[in-house]
Amino acid sequence: QSALTQPPSASGSPGQSVTISCTGTSSDFGDYNFVSWYQHHPGKAPKLMIHEVSKRPSGVPDRFSGSKSGNTASLTVSGLQAEDEADYYCSSYTGSNNYVFGTGTKVTVL
Amino acid sequence: QITLKESGPTLVKPTQTLTLTCTFSGFSLSTSDVGVGWIRRPPGTALEWLAVVYWNNDKRYSPSLKSRLTITKDTSKKQVVLTMTNMDPVDTGTYYCAHGDDTNAFDIWGQGTTVTVSS
Repeated sequence: QSALTQPPSASGSPGQSVTISCTGTSSDFGDYNFVSWYQHHPGKAPKLMIHEVSKRPSGVPDRFSGSKSGNTASLTVSGLQAEDEADYYCSSYTGSNNYVFGTGTKVTVL
Repeated sequence: QITLKESGPTLVKPTQTLTLTCTFSGFSLSTSDVGVGWIRRPPGTALEWLAVVYWNNDKRYSPSLKSRLTITKDTSKKQVVLTMTNMDPVDTGTYYCAHGDDTNAFDIWGQGTTVTVSS
């Protein structure tokens, strides 16, 4: 299985919004809604930001939101802040009961 | 509080076998729907899922690496071990273990351990 496809980069000024897409095949997503998003600051442990397409773990700001339509999932970061600058990865629990990660998107806060 | 910590060699030679240990606390791998996964990030590239073992000893592997990987759990020791055979320089990177549950997401990650493959 190939990695899910994400844009290499995205950027926005403080206070603006950015949306990151995550595209796969029907077998990548299966019949499930098990899409998750991770924030990764280099040198630190990745952090779960969204699970099950749109659910936020406790402690994750509501500026982060997720959605999915067909074979494309999306993460939107509203009200960008300097600390949001990081690499973001989508992941899906696949129809083969495996996991696949996306190619990653570097978010820059201008 | 759930914590995980990876340990293992920092340097391995090409063709050698890598053995990594994930030692965890704050949960039991005998609890229904709990799993521990391994994920790596080579320098300059993306996260890559490697393997997961569940509470019921169900094991899943990345299709592209399945022939080289073995994951085992020791519930009493609170450890999960990943072995990867025939290491190559392209396997250089940071290896993470992470806690999973019935959301099929990895909600808590270890800090990672860096492995370099070089002769």
